[in-house]
Amino acid sequence: GDSVTQMEGPVTLSEEAFLTINCTYTATGYPSLFWYVQYPGEGLQLLLKATKADDKGSNKGFEATYRKETTSFHLEKGSVQVSDSAVYFCALSDRGAKFGNQFYFGTGTSLTVIP
Amino acid sequence: GAVVSQHPSWVICKSGTSVKIECRSLDFQATTMFWYRQFPKQSLMLMATSNEGSKATYEQGVEKDKFLINHASLTLSTLTVTSAHPEDSSFYICSASTGQGFGYTFGSGTRLTVV
Repeated sequence: GDSVTQMEGPVTLSEEAFLTINCTYTATGYPSLFWYVQYPGEGLQLLLKATKADDKGSNKGFEATYRKETTSFHLEKGSVQVSDSAVYFCALSDRGAKFGNQFYFGTGTSLTVIP
Repeated sequence: GAVVSQHPSWVICKSGTSVKIECRSLDFQATTMFWYRQFPKQSLMLMATSNEGSKATYEQGVEKDKFLINHASLTLSTLTVTSAHPEDSSFYICSASTGQGFGYTFGSGTRLTVV
């Protein structure tokens, strides 16, 4: 079945460091891929998405490329800020799933950026 | 690891009836639970945030009288869709937090179809 595997955290980086959070997926249909972010005390927010192979999603300096050949959707940012401290979730929505657009989430990666 | 059980995984109901969705944290106490809804071909949208023992905080545009949320214990939150209509057909998912900043765990989601 469909699933998402995300690198475990927590991750601690210094400000302006490079960030990579790995995400790989398994899907039986034609998935769209997402990164969601959850800041402390808040609900999920969509960070970026990609709907087909080779698409690149980007937002707020974050990027992720939908790689079908490696079934990956790694999240990257060139220079993190303290305000990026949050939990990041990789997710897929499989249009081919039995009940349609069902979401599968990774377990989340906690990022702490220190000044 | 932390497990959140959400039931039912799918339900079909007649227009005008009410449907209750349960979200249980199986091995931890969830001080905060979030309820999300996914509209067809769209991303998840936060509906409400509930803290154990207090009233839920609803996002703008979400009808609190239609989507009743109860978080009466540290391990159970329920979402009741009252007087359901076909436009309420959607995918609903909960997540639970221990309130420590980490440990946001998602339920598997509920596919609601109102006929």
